[in-house]
Amino acid sequence: DADVTQTPRNRITKTGKRIMLECSQTKGHDRMYWYRQDPGLGLQLIYYSFDVKDINKGEISDGYSVSRQAQAKFSLSLESAIPNQTALYFCATSDRGQGDVTQYFGPGTRLTVL
Amino acid sequence: AQSVTQLDSQVPVFEEAPVELRCNYSSSVSVYLFWYVQYPNQGLQLLLKYLSGSTLVESINGFEAEFNKSQTSFHLRKPSVHISDTAEYFCAVIRSGGYQKVTFGTGTKLQVIP
Repeated sequence: DADVTQTPRNRITKTGKRIMLECSQTKGHDRMYWYRQDPGLGLQLIYYSFDVKDINKGEISDGYSVSRQAQAKFSLSLESAIPNQTALYFCATSDRGQGDVTQYFGPGTRLTVL
Repeated sequence: AQSVTQLDSQVPVFEEAPVELRCNYSSSVSVYLFWYVQYPNQGLQLLLKYLSGSTLVESINGFEAEFNKSQTSFHLRKPSVHISDTAEYFCAVIRSGGYQKVTFGTGTKLQVIP
């Protein structure tokens, strides 16, 4: 969905490096999410934010941190990357939840940690 | 807690044949149901969703899914597949009310054979 953008789209890095993945959205949604996709495991929730002042851990938050700089921006950081963090990372957004709870996804960032 | 089961990891089918991708869920509360599609090297796109109302929902490209509460299923069907339907399909549930925790299935790869 072009309304949700992620940068970079691909990144190769080395063990121990700090990495930041960025997500921006123009949908005007309050809620933003970071997921990780591994083959055969589906998507796992890393962190989610219901507004700028609300950050929550997901299922697999260890080794990750996030920052909600504005309603439209949600960044994911790997403080010290390790090889098992090699995966496809997706950002998603959703509305406040009064009616439609659909989550809309960005195109993904493919991260490789050597 | 809620869970989603997609029993078939891969489904090969000949072009113009019908297909059914199975999805079963478990939840102690009411849920909303979604199917997402992921084409090769792309992000997740919403295919169709059930929020309320008619239990049969359709997508613009000929897929349909029926919410069956008694069998806790939301199977995806298409009467005649096309090569362009080759993709991975993810079933997802979101609990109604409370925070919007999304649980994804592990995905089903649909391979359409010419």
